[in-house]
This record gives sequence, C-alpha cells and structure tokens, in this order.
Amino acid sequence: AQTVTQSQPEMSVQEAETVTLSCTYDTSESDYYLFWYKQPPSRQMILVIRQEAYKQQNATENRFSVNFQKAAKSFSLKISDSQLGDAAMYFCAYVNQAGTALIFGKGTTLSVSS
Amino acid sequence: GAVVSQHPSRVICKSGTSVKIECRSLDFQATTMFWYRQFPKQSLMLMATSNEGSKATYEQGVEKDKFLINHASLTLSTLTVTSAHPEDSSFYICSARVWGFRGTGELFFGEGSRLTVL
Repeated sequence: AQTVTQSQPEMSVQEAETVTLSCTYDTSESDYYLFWYKQPPSRQMILVIRQEAYKQQNATENRFSVNFQKAAKSFSLKISDSQLGDAAMYFCAYVNQAGTALIFGKGTTLSVSS
Repeated sequence: GAVVSQHPSRVICKSGTSVKIECRSLDFQATTMFWYRQFPKQSLMLMATSNEGSKATYEQGVEKDKFLINHASLTLSTLTVTSAHPEDSSFYICSARVWGFRGTGELFFGEGSRLTVL
C-alpha cells in the first residue's frame, strides 16, 4: 500500500527567507503523480505544484520549487522569498496513474513572521 | 483551471435529521468524484469514491448507510449524511480528477462544507 509521510507538523519562516517542507512516500509503482496543496484558513485546497514521476526535471512555479528524488522517494517543497500569504497548512499528495489511489500526508502548518 | 463548486458552505442541523451536500463540476465532466472528511488541523481522510452511474466505493470504516453518495450525472455528486449526530460534525470536501486536463491528472477541490450537528 502507498503511504505519504510529512515529518514536520509545524514549520516557521521569516518573511523573504526560504523554507523547505519535506515529504517522503512509498509506492511500488513507477508512474504516478505528486502534488503539493496549500490550505489557508479559508480551507480551500489550492494546488501549489505538481510533478509527474516520469519527468526527471524538478517542477517549478514562481517562488515554489520541488526537489524530486524518485529513487529515494522524496518530494520536498521549497518556498523562496516567503510571504505572509504563504502561511497555511501544506499537504503532500500522491496519486497513482489510474487515479484509484489518492493519499495525503498529515500536513505541515507553515507560519510566516514579519 | 477546472472549477468544482460545493454547496452549502456551512450547514447547521438538529441531531437525527439528514443533510445533503452537493458537489458540482462547473466546466468539465467528472466521471469520478471523491469525498473527504477533515477534522480541525488534520489531514483529509478519503471517505468514498463517487462513480457516475454506479455505486460509490467506500473506504474501510466508513458507514455507507450513514453517508449516502449519489452521482447521477457527469457534473453532480451528492453526499447525504443521514440521521446526523454531533460526532458527524466536520468539514467535508469534494474533489474531482480531470482526466486529460493538460495530461496531469490534477485534482480540483470544492470549497468545502462545514457541518455542525446540534
């Protein structure tokens, strides 16, 4: 069975600094998708970044980038130039190619201070 | 991106009554939708997978008779909490995966529904 582990329940960062949220997963499949979702106090789930397992290149979206290590089954999220609006709960998610397995990590609460 | 709309966003009901939550895909067809439950400061727990035109697939431990799911059309799935009790109070979120949308299999989420059972 697939699992997703976020080992940091809480993280904090100062404005303009960089923070990395960790995520590891376990699967026996070779093709799958990995996502980072952000859930602000409004509780709306917002997609931050996605990574297809077959792509070796790490995904980037503006200030957000991932370090995808397929062999190590690691998928960390780096937030550069942190902003107050980045404060939220962040979930790492695994989806198998067939879409029949959707697994979320337990989440990391990120606080940003000025 | 694709839009998933959930209604109502908040609902308060008396113990013993039933509550229906709707999840609509506004600009795409969703053959499969997913229903989650989330307790405060916790992760999303998958309750069931809703399949258009067929029975939902429930996760282990989820009472199918209490949480009725209907997916009658390609754009609408409903979750009915029957004979609700205070322990059913929670935040319920639906999502749909868009097949072929930029080929990424991305999940789109509704806004969530906060259920409070008195």
